[in-house]
Amino acid sequence: GEQVEQLPSILRVQEGSSASINCSYEDSASNYFPWYKQEPGENPKLIIDIRSNMERKQIQELIVLLDKKAKRFSLHITDTQPGDSAMYFCAADTGANTGKLTFGHGTILRVHP
Amino acid sequence: DAAVTQKPRYLIKMKGQEAEMKCIPEKGHTAVFWYQQKQSKELKFLIYFQNQQPLDQIDMVKERFSAVCPSSSLCSLGIRTCEAEDSALYLCSSSQPGGPNERLFFGHGTKLSVL
Repeated sequence: GEQVEQLPSILRVQEGSSASINCSYEDSASNYFPWYKQEPGENPKLIIDIRSNMERKQIQELIVLLDKKAKRFSLHITDTQPGDSAMYFCAADTGANTGKLTFGHGTILRVHP
Repeated sequence: DAAVTQKPRYLIKMKGQEAEMKCIPEKGHTAVFWYQQKQSKELKFLIYFQNQQPLDQIDMVKERFSAVCPSSSLCSLGIRTCEAEDSALYLCSSSQPGGPNERLFFGHGTKLSVL
């Protein structure tokens, strides 16, 4: 089945700087790549996603990049704020159009004032 | 967030007891997924239903869990005999595969603690 690697596991940045999280996947049939943000005690919330027909997508301060050839995708948070501190998960679908996702191990982002 | 409802929010069981969690998928969604998350770590896929039929599940679910989705309005995930390692957040999500709403949104989850 699909495997998703996510790095780094912990990321500390200064408020106002950028934060980047990188993921890689194995199954070339995967075509949907969502990102979830999870705050302590809460459920994971979908914050942005990208499909294989795109290379870049931006929603406000969130940018996702997809390199299908290299089987890599990444999340970039520009101008980080303390409210961005959370656990972030990347995921990839199985490519079978079932909606089933394989998740990365998560990145703890800490934004320091 | 989509309207996936999970009950109960918290569940405490003794080792060896049976546990049951409920999920009401978003209206109109035909696919239902259960994931397990231990200690805020990665989400582990458990089982997937499409039109009430289980189409994919991991071995642990086959061996120790019971999961049904008899209608598109109420699904359940049960653990026949709870073990300490089952302590986790159980997340349900639903989607409309291939349709305009194929994004996965999670319910608030059921936090199971096995003592």
